[in-house]
Amino acid sequence: ILNVEQSPQSLHVQEGDSTNFTCSFPSSNFYALHWYRWETAKSPEALFVMTLNGDEKKKGRISATLNTKEGYSYLYIKGSQPEDSATYLCAFQAGGSYIPTFGRGTSLIVHP
Amino acid sequence: DADVTQTPRNRITKTGKRIMLECSQTKGHDRMYWYRQDPGLGLRLIYYSFDVKDINKGEISDGYSVSRQAQAKFSLSLESAIPNQTALYFCATSDRASNTEAFFGQGTRLTVV
Repeated sequence: ILNVEQSPQSLHVQEGDSTNFTCSFPSSNFYALHWYRWETAKSPEALFVMTLNGDEKKKGRISATLNTKEGYSYLYIKGSQPEDSATYLCAFQAGGSYIPTFGRGTSLIVHP
Repeated sequence: DADVTQTPRNRITKTGKRIMLECSQTKGHDRMYWYRQDPGLGLRLIYYSFDVKDINKGEISDGYSVSRQAQAKFSLSLESAIPNQTALYFCATSDRASNTEAFFGQGTRLTVV
């Protein structure tokens, strides 16, 4: 079983704050790292798929970086809004199996 | 209509009953997965299938079985449901290209009493 860790488990911020959270994964046999956003009562939806060391992806106010050598990825949200409140999941794909293994998620609550 | 559809959306069943959760997709993806979500535990893989003739156990397959009836359909069965199988179940699909994202169904909330 692959060890994919996310921290913090939960986060409360005020509207307008910028925030970031971490996904740690095995540094060997890396294939891809995914980030998903999961709103309450909805399905997880992909934000980014990252495959190369040093990758940086951006979608609006949300961005992500990837360090495959040390086995971590950061997700950043700039100027958080209440609609950013969700659970953010990362999923690691190892070479060979290619099965997405998910972390436990970071629950973000943005207070108006 | 959703690209990945799960039925039922909610189900309450009794201990010992057999139950089937169904998943169908219109995305034309080869790969399909069943995950289970429990509070604080994230998504854990139950079974996966890379094509119609391919079925593989995931991390927590005990007590479950699956059937890939067609490229578009992947069913999960609980042969004899037990209370600790109470959870939110997600079906997901992904394209043959290995580094593409997964697309999820709406989830099935199953309660075993």
